Amino acid sequence: GAGVSQSPSNKVTEKGKDVELRCDPISGHTALYWYRQSLGQGLEFLIYFQGNSAPDKSGLPSDRFSAERTGGSVSTLTIQRTQQEDSAVYLCASSFDGNQPQHFGDGTRLSIL
Amino acid sequence: AQRVTQPEKLLSVFKGAPVELKCNYSYSGSPELFWYVQYSRQRLQLLLRHISRESIKGFTADLNKGETSFHLKKPFAQEEDSAMYYCALKSGGWGKLQFGAGTQVVVTP
Repeated sequence: GAGVSQSPSNKVTEKGKDVELRCDPISGHTALYWYRQSLGQGLEFLIYFQGNSAPDKSGLPSDRFSAERTGGSVSTLTIQRTQQEDSAVYLCASSFDGNQPQHFGDGTRLSIL
Repeated sequence: AQRVTQPEKLLSVFKGAPVELKCNYSYSGSPELFWYVQYSRQRLQLLLRHISRESIKGFTADLNKGETSFHLKKPFAQEEDSAMYYCALKSGGWGKLQFGAGTQVVVTP
């Protein structure tokens, strides 16, 4: 596709449920990033995938958060046992490699009731 | 510790007036700085990166290592410049970005 694609665009779920957020990076981009944008915390880095290297998970806020990148392309961010403080816009970005500018998707707006 | 500070949450300027968005950083190594912009109902997009030393949409930004600043400037603001602006730091060889809190710019006619 022409840009980074994220789905769903909006997700409303009940506290305690698990959610999966999907990111399709730009074709050929080896680096993929997840960020979270929330009112209280601004834009925070969550996790970074670069090629076949082990991901940088240093930004994940708790062990309820995990992410996978299958086949070096699509990535899924999973949040288990969601809490109200998880409500935010989750942004995915990709770049050709770790040295090139990042291109962002539209994000998934997650609301926890 | 790495930090990016944007002291102004909101900047309101008149059309045609100069605008300057402040960004200060703290980082012990050699930083790479960016400005990202998010227009209303659009995705976050790259505006400038310091290594390019270019002017985009009339905006410029100069990295001042002595003052650890990367302020964004435009001599004559336009209404279409109204947006949220984020300063970001990429540290070392890692691709991840650390963002400032953002500055909302409102340009009034």
